[in-house]
Amino acid sequence: DIQLTQSPSFLSASVGGRVTITCRASQGISSYLAWYQQKPGKAPKLLIYAASTLQSGVPSRFSGSGSGTEFTLTISSLQPEDFATYYCQQLSSYPLYSFGQGTKLEIK
Amino acid sequence: EVQLVVSGGGLVKPGGSLRLSCAASRFTFNTYSMNWVRQAPGKGLEWVSSISSSSNYIFYADSVKGRFTISRDNAKNSLYMQMNSLRVEDTAVYYCARGGRGVVTATPFDYWGQGTLVTVSS
Repeated sequence: DIQLTQSPSFLSASVGGRVTITCRASQGISSYLAWYQQKPGKAPKLLIYAASTLQSGVPSRFSGSGSGTEFTLTISSLQPEDFATYYCQQLSSYPLYSFGQGTKLEIK
Repeated sequence: EVQLVVSGGGLVKPGGSLRLSCAASRFTFNTYSMNWVRQAPGKGLEWVSSISSSSNYIFYADSVKGRFTISRDNAKNSLYMQMNSLRVEDTAVYYCARGGRGVVTATPFDYWGQGTLVTVSS
């Protein structure tokens, strides 16, 4: 099974700031990686797929990069509505999809 | 916009059964694969099961294999999960999520239902 490890697990940042979340895969997954945002009590929302393609309607301050085993999600110019938990998901070993453990982004 | 409405959660005793439903609308349901994902309280996301558009391909996580059965009724635009032999560790919010067109592939889950809480406790 492919394991995904996100770092950090918790992140504190200020409105207007910039953050980067890393997702590392236990083996190469090419660009088969997606990022989701989840707010408390809500369903996850797809932000990025194929490692770097922005889902329709997602603000351009979100960006993704990486391939193989290391990936990053960057949020530039943080807005109040961006404080949430973020998950990466690997799609390479479908249908045995797996998610990272999550990164909680809090307001400093 | 695409809508997925999940229902059927509740409190059930260990060993009991429950059937979840996911009603889909505003897209051509019979052309998309569908998935169930769960989230235990305070924990991360766990993929549970996937079904292709015509039900030809069905997959389960090892944690539920042999106890859960995914199905769909394309005439009713609905996805189901029959959960038997429930365990305390199955306690979670269960989400349905849309996959890619046709068979189950390396396609992200682009729309999710609101989730329903299943609590397994004596």
